[in-house]
Amino acid sequence: GAVVSQHPSWVICKSGTSVKIECRSLDFQATTMFWYRQFPKQSLMLMATSNEGSKATYEQGVEKDKFLINHASLTLSTLTVTSAHPEDSSFYICSARNPRDGDNQPQHFGDGTRLSIL
Amino acid sequence: AQSVTQPDIHITVSEGASLELRCNYSYGATPYLFWYVQSPGQGLQLLLKYFSGDTLVQGIKGFEAEFKRSQSSFNLRKPSVHWSDAAEYFCAVAPSGGYQKVTFGTGTKLQVIP
Repeated sequence: GAVVSQHPSWVICKSGTSVKIECRSLDFQATTMFWYRQFPKQSLMLMATSNEGSKATYEQGVEKDKFLINHASLTLSTLTVTSAHPEDSSFYICSARNPRDGDNQPQHFGDGTRLSIL
Repeated sequence: AQSVTQPDIHITVSEGASLELRCNYSYGATPYLFWYVQSPGQGLQLLLKYFSGDTLVQGIKGFEAEFKRSQSSFNLRKPSVHWSDAAEYFCAVAPSGGYQKVTFGTGTKLQVIP
């Protein structure tokens, strides 16, 4: 079964509103989670690395004030798209690494959140 | 910096035919390599991974991939494609000894015709 859960799976909202997306590790503690963005018919691009108890690390070109990341617990990271506009419409996917998996195991991905801004 | 190239944006094969999806990577050391599959509107499913050892790796759903260091390639293959294999396939690379940052290729969309 899924080990990383995202909520909601799909959200539609008006331009100018803020939207929060949750990413939970279900049966392990994740000190690090990752947020990716995927535009239609394009690949996944890493937006930021979410670190429990500290500030997120953003990739070049990603506005940290636009995409607020909070990793307040070892099982939950949230991504808030502030004052969302149609160009923010995208598919957002989070991932997490289970430290018990060992170095040779890949990240676990959530099922993604489709965000549509009207 | 690491990078991944998937030269084929779209591939169409007949059901039952063999399949090969190309992937080339750029990285200074031996990377960790992955293939993921994504159905429309869905998340990613790991098909297989390579870290070290045998360069021919077996994955789920009958897929396999071969790591060729001399060609910096990690092509995905399947001897007989099923209609349910139609999806988007992503090759990905992460640094050896740690995979904190995964870089994805642009993806190859597979269409299967009856």
